[in-house]
This record gives sequence, structure tokens and C-alpha cells, in this order.
Amino acid sequence: GAGVSQSPSNKVTEKGKDVELRCDPISGHTALYWYRQSLGQGLEFLIYFQGNSAPDKSGLPSDRFSAERTGGSVSTLTIQRTQQEDSAVYLCASSPMEGGGYTFGSGTRLTVV
Amino acid sequence: GESVGLHLPTLSVQEGDNSIINCAYSNSASDYFIWYKQESGKGPQFIIDIRSNMDKRQGQRVTVLLNKTVKHLSLQIAATQPGDSAVYFCAEKRPPGNMLTFGGGTRLMVKP
Repeated sequence: GAGVSQSPSNKVTEKGKDVELRCDPISGHTALYWYRQSLGQGLEFLIYFQGNSAPDKSGLPSDRFSAERTGGSVSTLTIQRTQQEDSAVYLCASSPMEGGGYTFGSGTRLTVV
Repeated sequence: GESVGLHLPTLSVQEGDNSIINCAYSNSASDYFIWYKQESGKGPQFIIDIRSNMDKRQGQRVTVLLNKTVKHLSLQIAATQPGDSAVYFCAEKRPPGNMLTFGGGTRLMVKP
């Protein structure tokens, strides 16, 4: 597509439930990134996929968080047993293999109640 | 530790004035820098970038200056408009790889 698409745009879930957030990157972009942004805060790196290489998971805050990227395109970020502190905007970005800037999606606003 | 940081968390300017947003970085190996603009409820948007072999780059109403001697990056916005109100993030790329490290952000408020 023309841009990075994320769904859903908003998600309200009960504490303890699992959620899946989806990211559809720009076609042809080999790198995909997930970030988390709490209200009024900066960008917290979560995970990075580059081509067929093993993902860089160094930013995942706990083992409740996981992500996969199927076929080198769409990515899903899964949060198991959600907690209230997981409430944030989850941003996805992609970039071409040769580097350069990221293109961000509009994010998924997750609210855990 | 090494980081990208900002000098001013909030900047308030009068409409029509020029704005300068600053960013400090500590890794002299960083070779690529970007400024992003994030409006409320949206993802960050690319504004302008600069490679480490340059010290100035101009876009439409925006200029990025890079001072490698003091490891300082700035974004200048000419004739600031209400639509420029947003949070601005600087980011640096440290080789190898394409990962960007983001600064904490500066909120720009434009007064009419």
C-alpha cells in the first residue's frame, strides 16, 4: 500500500485478556519496527525485523510480549495477559533495505481496563 | 550511557517567528540523523534528514544543522505557523544496521 497500515486504530480490552495488533508495512520495505508510546512520552523500541534475519527482540518489556512477521510482510504484535501498564499507543514503522528514514503508521491506541 | 537527548521539552513561539529545536547526541559514530513531527493522534512524520558528511540541509521552511564537533543537531522552522504545533523528535542512526534511536521529544506550541 501507499503507507504503513495498522489495525485496529483503537482497542479497549479487559485486564488479563490477550490482544493482537497488526501492521501492514509499505510494499517492498524489508525492515519493520514496533515502538510503544505512553501518553506524552517518547518512543520506546520494542522489536525490529530485517529481512530473513532473526528479529532484534531486545526492547520487549516482558515475556508477555511477542511479535512475528509472516512472509516478510505483515507483522502481528501479541500481548498476553494484558496489564493496565500496557496501555499505550503502539506504533509500527517500516523502511527499505538500503536504510533511510522510517515511515510510521498511525498507531493502535490500546487501553487496558 | 549513549543517548540522543533534547535541551528543551517545551518551546512556545509566536506565530510568524522562527523556531529552533535542539538535540544533543553522544555517539560520534552516528552517520545519519532525522527529524520527525508528531501531531496529536498521529504517527511521527518524516520532516528532514541529514547525513554526517553534511552540516546543513534545507527543505521547505525547515533547515537542519549538524555540528559534529559538539555533537549537536538542530531544526529551524521559518515563519512558524499554527500547523507547526506538534512534538518534534530527533533520531540518529548508529552503524551498523538501520536502527534509529529517538530522542525524548520537544513540544512546539505556536501562539496566534
